[in-house]
Amino acid sequence: AQTVTQSQPEMSVQEAETVTLSCTYDTSESDYYLFWYKQPPSRQMILVIRQEAYKQQNATENRFSVNFQKAAKSFSLKISDSQLGDAAMYFCAYRSFGNEKLTFGTGTRLTIIP
Amino acid sequence: GAVVSQHPSWVICKSGTSVKIECRSLDFQATTMFWYRQFPKQSLMLMATSNEGSKATYEQGVEKDKFLINHASLTLSTLTVTSAHPEDSSFYICSARSGFADTQYFGPGTRLTVL
Repeated sequence: AQTVTQSQPEMSVQEAETVTLSCTYDTSESDYYLFWYKQPPSRQMILVIRQEAYKQQNATENRFSVNFQKAAKSFSLKISDSQLGDAAMYFCAYRSFGNEKLTFGTGTRLTIIP
Repeated sequence: GAVVSQHPSWVICKSGTSVKIECRSLDFQATTMFWYRQFPKQSLMLMATSNEGSKATYEQGVEKDKFLINHASLTLSTLTVTSAHPEDSSFYICSARSGFADTQYFGPGTRLTVL
């Protein structure tokens, strides 16, 4: 079974600085998707970024980018120019190509320091 | 695009009663919907997967007779918590996926409190 590990329960960063959230996963499959979801205090899950495993290029969405290392099974999220609105729980998630289910990590709570 | 709504956002009920939670995809057809449960400060736990017109597939350990799921149309799925007890108090979140998309879009969640 696939597992997703987020080893940082909490992180904090100064406003306007850069922070990296780590995620590792375990799978024997070659085709899969990886996601980062954000859950702010409202608890609405918001898709931040996604990565297809077959793509070597790291996904980027404005201030959010990933460092996808397939061989190392690592999928970290970098947030540049951190803003107060980035404060939230961040969940890393895995989905295999032939399966609809998402497997979530335990989450990292990100605090932005003004 | 890709908006999912849930209703109600918050519900309090007495022990022994049943509660129905609705999940709607507002701007796309959801061939598959998912129901999750989230305890405070924990991750999301998948309860069941439902495809339109089919019976839901429940995860191991989830009581199908207690958590009734209906996915009668491409835009609506319902979760009914039957004979609710205080231990069923939790945050319930639905998500939806269209047939050709590989991303789930989440509803805002429903907080259930059973007294």
